[in-house]
Amino acid sequence: QVQLVESGGGVVQPGRSLRISCTASGFTFSNYAMHWVRQAPGKGLEWVAFISFDGSNKKYIDSVKGRFTISRDKSKNTLYLQMNSLRVEDTAVYHCSRGDACSSGICHWRAFDIWGQGTMVTVSS
Amino acid sequence: DIQMTQSPSSLSASVGDRVTITCRASQGISNYLAWYQQKPGKVPKLLIYAASTLQSGVPSRFSGSGSGTRFTLTVSSLQPEDVATYYCQNYNTAPRTFGQGTRVEIK
Repeated sequence: QVQLVESGGGVVQPGRSLRISCTASGFTFSNYAMHWVRQAPGKGLEWVAFISFDGSNKKYIDSVKGRFTISRDKSKNTLYLQMNSLRVEDTAVYHCSRGDACSSGICHWRAFDIWGQGTMVTVSS
Repeated sequence: DIQMTQSPSSLSASVGDRVTITCRASQGISNYLAWYQQKPGKVPKLLIYAASTLQSGVPSRFSGSGSGTRFTLTVSSLQPEDVATYYCQNYNTAPRTFGQGTRVEIK
């Protein structure tokens, strides 16, 4: 079935780095833009980053620009989020989600219809 | 960046009540508005997209309306399983901003 599975979360000290992953199955990964969304404990949803279907376009929320990098590997059906210079306020469950559908280079804006279960990232000394 | 503002931030209603949540965008987003439901401890679930189109499998007691900058999510007859936090989101620009959420409880 259509599925997204995150991995790689954990406890890390402030200022350190962590890479989390999201493996897709059940659909043609390379036809969809992908997103990372996070949720701090007891807080609401916060969109973090976007990558286009072919990896050529990336967007970030201001608070992570220059620290986080989103990427994707078509051969592995996997989405990544490299997080550097982590801060206590980055502590959250990180979800990947499926976005815009693209065909022959033409993309259509879509809501996030598929979500992974999330991976917890805790930044603490 | 487009800001999304929901009201109220929380509400308490009785089973069978009609419940309405409002979402306002700081600038026009046409109908590129989605509503999500997040039950306690669960992953967010897409309820409505394109402001008023029900996602497959979503009960018909849920409905959405609006365009431009003002949108509403309505539950025609609140059920115990509808206890959740509801979020709106614009999806035509980056950042794909979420509203702050509306917590719905049973009175």
